[in-house]
Amino acid sequence: DQQVKQNSPSLSVQEGRISILNCDYTNSMFDYFLWYKKYPAEGPTFLISISSIKDKNEDGRFTVFLNKSAKHLSLHIVPSQPGDSAVYFCAASSGTYKYIFGTGTRLKVLA
Amino acid sequence: IAGITQAPTSQILAAGRRMTLRCTQDMRHNAMYWYRQDLGLGLRLIHYSNTAGTTGKGEVPDGYSVSRANTDDFPLTLASAVPSQTSVYFCASSAGPGLDYTFGSGTRLTVV
Repeated sequence: DQQVKQNSPSLSVQEGRISILNCDYTNSMFDYFLWYKKYPAEGPTFLISISSIKDKNEDGRFTVFLNKSAKHLSLHIVPSQPGDSAVYFCAASSGTYKYIFGTGTRLKVLA
Repeated sequence: IAGITQAPTSQILAAGRRMTLRCTQDMRHNAMYWYRQDLGLGLRLIHYSNTAGTTGKGEVPDGYSVSRANTDDFPLTLASAVPSQTSVYFCASSAGPGLDYTFGSGTRLTVV
């Protein structure tokens, strides 16, 4: 049973517009969440994190929102740039060392 | 440059052969992990180690073994490779619970 779900396998957005990537989880014990970006033939790179004591964390063009009651988090990229085209993974942990990753969403930003 | 080194970058392996994927980190992170990435399945945890001398099983441990003799190295061994182990394997490390991971660049393994 998938504990962390990214239901949209792909997303296309025009350059300059907002990209919204969604992630749902089932385990209410999860309290740390990460977003990673992955380019082809490279390892995933850390983007942004949020803990359950917050409902928003912002870093430049990237903002992560957490809705604990809905067990949902989202990553907003504003404005989207062609270099943002990649696969994005969300991950969740219950404060242990282990993170459970979602299946990923492929973002394509159209110039 | 601090980070994680994985070797080999890619490998084609005959079914039934034994293979060890190497992973070395120079960040003195306590914890290390092995994930496999498969299309439509995302990143799945194979084995992990919270600190040198300890290991644990992840979501998909069958057919794999690990060891953690020291802080820096975390090799992953396939004792007898099968085609379903064809995947891209990523090693990662973290400094502590709840902290973000640093990933290596991956090993693409094809078992034929």
